[in-house]
Amino acid sequence: DIQMTQSPSSLSASVGDRITITCRASQSINNYLNWYQQKPGEAPKFLIYAASSLQSGVPSRFSGSGSGTHFTLTISSLQPEDFATYYCQQSSFRGSFGQGTKLEIK
Amino acid sequence: QVQLVQSGAEVKKPGASVKVSCKATGYRFTGYNIYWVRQAPGQGLEWMAWINPNSGGTDYAQKFQGRVTVTRDTSITTAYIELNSLRSDDTAVYYCARGDDYYHYMDVWGKGTTVTVSS
Repeated sequence: DIQMTQSPSSLSASVGDRITITCRASQSINNYLNWYQQKPGEAPKFLIYAASSLQSGVPSRFSGSGSGTHFTLTISSLQPEDFATYYCQQSSFRGSFGQGTKLEIK
Repeated sequence: QVQLVQSGAEVKKPGASVKVSCKATGYRFTGYNIYWVRQAPGQGLEWMAWINPNSGGTDYAQKFQGRVTVTRDTSITTAYIELNSLRSDDTAVYYCARGDDYYHYMDVWGKGTTVTVSS
């Protein structure tokens, strides 16, 4: 199976900050990379597909980039509602998630 | 509106089986895949399987092959996941999600079903 590795595992930031989360695949997945946000006690929320395509209704401060094995999720100006855990997921072969990045308020 | 409504919480003994349902409403059931993902307490997301409700085609994560079966009943727009030979480490919230058949992203999620395995 394809292994996905996210970094960092946790991140402290302030409202208004710009942050970037990295996701690496153990082999090339072209652009079959999706991002999700999860808050405690809730189901995940879908943010980005095909590495850089924003799901309808997701704020434009979220963006994704990358291809092959290296991908990033950037939030340009953190808002209070953005503090959550973020997961990347490859969908090139079956599906597997990164271990998650917990974004906390500094 | 598009919704996935999952069955209620289950408590099972080790070695038993559990079957969780996921009823789809608000969209054409056969037009999207259904995926199953689980999350153990305090842990991350784990991809398990998917089914194409139109063809009935399925695929499973290697870890679950032989122990998990996903099915669907198009007449009642419901998908199912059955997990056999339950162990304590199968204790988790099980989610179903609707997904695209090309990029295989999961855009609509159920609220989750808690399965507890305990003697």
